[in-house]
Amino acid sequence: DAGITQSPRHKVTETGTPVTLRCHQTENHRYMYWYRQDPGHGLRLIHYSYGVKDTDKGEVSDGYSVSRSKTEDFLLTLESATSSQTSVYFCAISESTQAYEQYFGPGTRLTVT
Amino acid sequence: KQEVTQIPAALSVPEGENLVLNCSFTDSAIYNLQWFRQDPGKGLTSLLLIQSSQREQTSGRLNASLDKSSGRSTLYIAASQPGDSATYLCAVTFNDMRFGAGTRLTVKP
Repeated sequence: DAGITQSPRHKVTETGTPVTLRCHQTENHRYMYWYRQDPGHGLRLIHYSYGVKDTDKGEVSDGYSVSRSKTEDFLLTLESATSSQTSVYFCAISESTQAYEQYFGPGTRLTVT
Repeated sequence: KQEVTQIPAALSVPEGENLVLNCSFTDSAIYNLQWFRQDPGKGLTSLLLIQSSQREQTSGRLNASLDKSSGRSTLYIAASQPGDSATYLCAVTFNDMRFGAGTRLTVKP
């Protein structure tokens, strides 16, 4: 298994509070991704990173920000959580370009009440 | 906008059957197609990756084909087992990775 961990694994928070999810990899892969998974929608890309301090938006980036200060860590922040952001969040990594195979972390289940 | 569809959404078969899962996509401009397995409450496990120049990939009892021009891929599972029960997802990559909603497979003993 690719060395990807996510923390926390479960979190319940209240509407309006800030939340930060962490993805940590030990594979030294250049690309890192954040997805959310919702019933009926499959997985959708939120943001991705193609290097330290290099990030870009995905399909559903509104309400989310990311940061990558080290190769191994990719943070996803919800500045002011809303109930529509209740979801399962997955981090993924890939070795080189976006054409390479992606490997996924175990996921974080976030509930916004 | 690339759209990925998986049919059927759910499938139940008796143990030992050979089965086919389908994936279709609307834009043939892709780098690759990847099949994943997801167990309940777990992350995604990569099963097979087919590059756009390839027609098929095999791993054990799994065989995936790709027909880029028609926007279709199939995942063939031979001699299904109860341990194959999971949700199977396909995803295509070009500028980003787009996923289908998955097929939930149940293999009954």
